Amino acid sequence: EAQVTQNPRYLITVTGKKLTVTCSQNMNHEYMSWYRQDPGLGLRQIYYSMNVEVTDKGDVPEGYKVSRKEKRNFPLILESPSPNQTSLYFCASRGTSGGGWAQYFGPGTRLTVL
Amino acid sequence: GNSVTQMEGPVTLSEEAFLTINCTYTATGYPSLFWYVQYPGEGLQLLLKATKADDKGSNKGFEATYRKETTSFHLEKGSVQVSDSAVYFCALNSGGYQKVTFGTGTKLQVIP
Repeated sequence: EAQVTQNPRYLITVTGKKLTVTCSQNMNHEYMSWYRQDPGLGLRQIYYSMNVEVTDKGDVPEGYKVSRKEKRNFPLILESPSPNQTSLYFCASRGTSGGGWAQYFGPGTRLTVL
Repeated sequence: GNSVTQMEGPVTLSEEAFLTINCTYTATGYPSLFWYVQYPGEGLQLLLKATKADDKGSNKGFEATYRKETTSFHLEKGSVQVSDSAVYFCALNSGGYQKVTFGTGTKLQVIP
């Protein structure tokens, strides 16, 4: 089954404790991205990657890092999490669909930073 | 820059009622337009899309027409069901740029 997986689905942590949220896709997509979803703000892009070793900032990259060492994986790293990074995070990959392209989203990771 | 404006929710409808969720956009070039749906506890799923002016996207009884003259992409369904209860996001991608811009989402609740 074609899918994007994220782990963990839920995470509660404390300020300053480094964490990584993993993302993996099995569709051989080149393009992947990370979003955060906050009430009243919709989805905002954090980082995206066009291919292996190619990453770029989205709208809200501060406080986050990413890496793309393999095509299927795109982990999101919070080196020193802060409470304002409490949010719902989605990973997505992009591929062709019906003559165009479409994004496929993971199930989300709900992060709480105390 | 690009932006997407959606009507504020929540929208509450009775089953079999007609649905319209308004979406207008600002973008450079000729954007592709999308509607995504998010069911409770899940990620976003592509509902429909349109890539050029006057195109109509449709799926699962939902429709939206790309109106360049009014910069709009309103979502419609003739008869909603309880299972349509979800959050709906309008989004756009402009030109070759890789970023997708999302609206803030509209929550739809359908009551029996």
